[in-house]
Amino acid sequence: GNSVTQMEGPVTLSEEAFLTINCTYTATGYPSLFWYVQYPGEGLQLLLKATKADDKGSNKGFEATYRKETTSFHLEKGSVQVSDSAVYFCALSPFSGGYNKLIFGAGTRLAVHP
Amino acid sequence: EAQVTQNPRYLITVTGKKLTVTCSQNMNHEYMSWYRQDPGLGLRQIYYSMNVEVTDKGDVPEGYKVSRKEKRNFPLILESPSPNQTSLYFCASGGDREKLFFGSGTQLSVL
Repeated sequence: GNSVTQMEGPVTLSEEAFLTINCTYTATGYPSLFWYVQYPGEGLQLLLKATKADDKGSNKGFEATYRKETTSFHLEKGSVQVSDSAVYFCALSPFSGGYNKLIFGAGTRLAVHP
Repeated sequence: EAQVTQNPRYLITVTGKKLTVTCSQNMNHEYMSWYRQDPGLGLRQIYYSMNVEVTDKGDVPEGYKVSRKEKRNFPLILESPSPNQTSLYFCASGGDREKLFFGSGTQLSVL
């Protein structure tokens, strides 16, 4: 079946540190891949997406590359800020171009300290 | 402002007492969905709707009902809540096929 596995948190970093949050997936066919972010007390927001192999999604300094050979979509940022503290969810849509069955990982909490 | 509005934000109830969580979107989206979020499990889809009068089960539909009589509204109904339905609930809508807009969540506690 389809599933998403994220690294467990919390991840605690100092400001300006490099961030990697690992995400791997299992899917049949050609899924689309997403990172959503949830700030405290809010709903999820789309952070970035990639719809086919080797695509790189980017937004707000965050990047993730769709790696079909390793079934991965790791989230990276070169220099985190306190304002990046949030929960990050990796997700996939099994059918490229559709969101009927968005499947989420468990989420990874990031805490950035000054 | 484009938004998905859920009410109430917090709800404490007792086992068996019917409740409804409302969800409304102002973006004229055809697609709407309900998720529950539990620690260590991420978000799991309860029900979704592709358009008015069209609804379908997600991964965890047991104990829930939905209706879609109008495009903007998609209420979640718990006819007889139980403690295992204590959770954080999110409504979402989508127009662009690959971007969902989420409400701020409803924290439900069933005693």
